[in-house]
Amino acid sequence: SQTIHQWPATLVQPVGSPLSLECTVEGTSNPNLYWYRQAAGRGLQLLFYSVGIGQISSEVPQNLSASRPQDRQFILSSKKLLLSDSGFYLCAWSQFGLTSTDTQYFGPGTRLTVL
Amino acid sequence: EDKVVQSPLSLVVHEGDTVTLNCSYEVTNFRSLLWYKQEKKAPTFLFMLTSSGIEKKSGRLSSILDKKELSSILNITATQTGDSAIYLCAVPRRSNFGNEKLTFGTGTRLTIIP
Repeated sequence: SQTIHQWPATLVQPVGSPLSLECTVEGTSNPNLYWYRQAAGRGLQLLFYSVGIGQISSEVPQNLSASRPQDRQFILSSKKLLLSDSGFYLCAWSQFGLTSTDTQYFGPGTRLTVL
Repeated sequence: EDKVVQSPLSLVVHEGDTVTLNCSYEVTNFRSLLWYKQEKKAPTFLFMLTSSGIEKKSGRLSSILDKKELSSILNITATQTGDSAIYLCAVPRRSNFGNEKLTFGTGTRLTIIP
């Protein structure tokens, strides 16, 4: 069966520091991968998605970036964190994109607090 | 631009009550609508709806889609404290790569009082 991992679970970082969040998927190959952010009191916002190694699409212009160095690994990064980057970051995967028989499955999330 | 709107934003009821959560959408080339339940951490999948008028049911939860009204409802009967969560509605939209991404509503925060 497929599982999705995220780490760290919780992170507290000062403003201006770098960020690296990692997501890995097991039990499948060539998944579509997604990074979402959920700010306090707001819905889920899609940040990045990837259909394959090295293929990243950005949804929202910001100081974050994403990379996919391996088929089942998706990394969210920042060179300098802002206060507004605080939130709950979720990684998700789907196999074929969303068809009538498929959906996205989420990792456990990383709670990031920028001070 | 695709839009998903959920109502109410917040709902507080007593254990045993029945609740109805609403989701309306404006998307091009609609194909499906999904419901998720989010407790303390990641959302978990509840239902995927593709056909109008066909109810999907799982225990005390049920959901139905109305393509004419561009909306869906999620019903929870005989609510329990474990139903307290944020309920998210999402609609896929096609990306430039040809795959699909989810547009989420802001969610309904449901609180069940014992």
